[in-house]
Amino acid sequence: GEEVAQTPKHLVRGEGQKAKLYCAPIKGHSYVFWYQQVLKNEFKFLISFQNENVFDETGMPKERFSAKCLPNSPCSLEIQATKLEDSAVYFCASSPGGDTQYFGPGTRLTVL
Amino acid sequence: DQQVKQNSPSLSVQEGRISILNCDYTNSMFDYFLWYKKYPAEGPTFLISISSIKDKNEDGRFTVFLNKSAKHLSLHIVPSQPGDSAVYFCAANWGTGNQFYFGTGTSLTVIP
Repeated sequence: GEEVAQTPKHLVRGEGQKAKLYCAPIKGHSYVFWYQQVLKNEFKFLISFQNENVFDETGMPKERFSAKCLPNSPCSLEIQATKLEDSAVYFCASSPGGDTQYFGPGTRLTVL
Repeated sequence: DQQVKQNSPSLSVQEGRISILNCDYTNSMFDYFLWYKKYPAEGPTFLISISSIKDKNEDGRFTVFLNKSAKHLSLHIVPSQPGDSAVYFCAANWGTGNQFYFGTGTSLTVIP
């Protein structure tokens, strides 16, 4: 598609439950990025992919967070055993060649 | 450690006048810079970019200036319109496929 699509728009989970977020990058874009916006205006990088390969995962809290980008499927970000502090808006972005990033509308995760 | 800073959380400008949004960075390796516009409950929308080989890039009403020696960039919007009211983020990175580092945003209000 011509825009980055993210689903669901909103997700509510009880503490300790699993959360899974999806991202369909713009067709033809080789790079996918995940960012977390916790406080209103701070973007924290989580992970990036070049095609289906992890490019940079230095921002991932590895004990509970995982992500995949498989061929012919939306990319996914999964949080096992969610905590209150995981409440945030999660943005996915894609890039054709690794420079300008185009963002999706975000998924708002609320952990109760 | 905030590598990209936007020191003005908010700015108000009269319609038709110039809006100037500022951004400072600390990492001299940054060689590519973006400005995004963000409305509430939406993802950031790419506005304009500049690479470190240039000191100015223009696109319609939007011009970005880069001063590498001062590690400073600015976004000029002329003339400002009420529809420009949004939060503006600057972002910077280096290399291909790397994460962007974001400032904390400046909320612009254009008064009709």
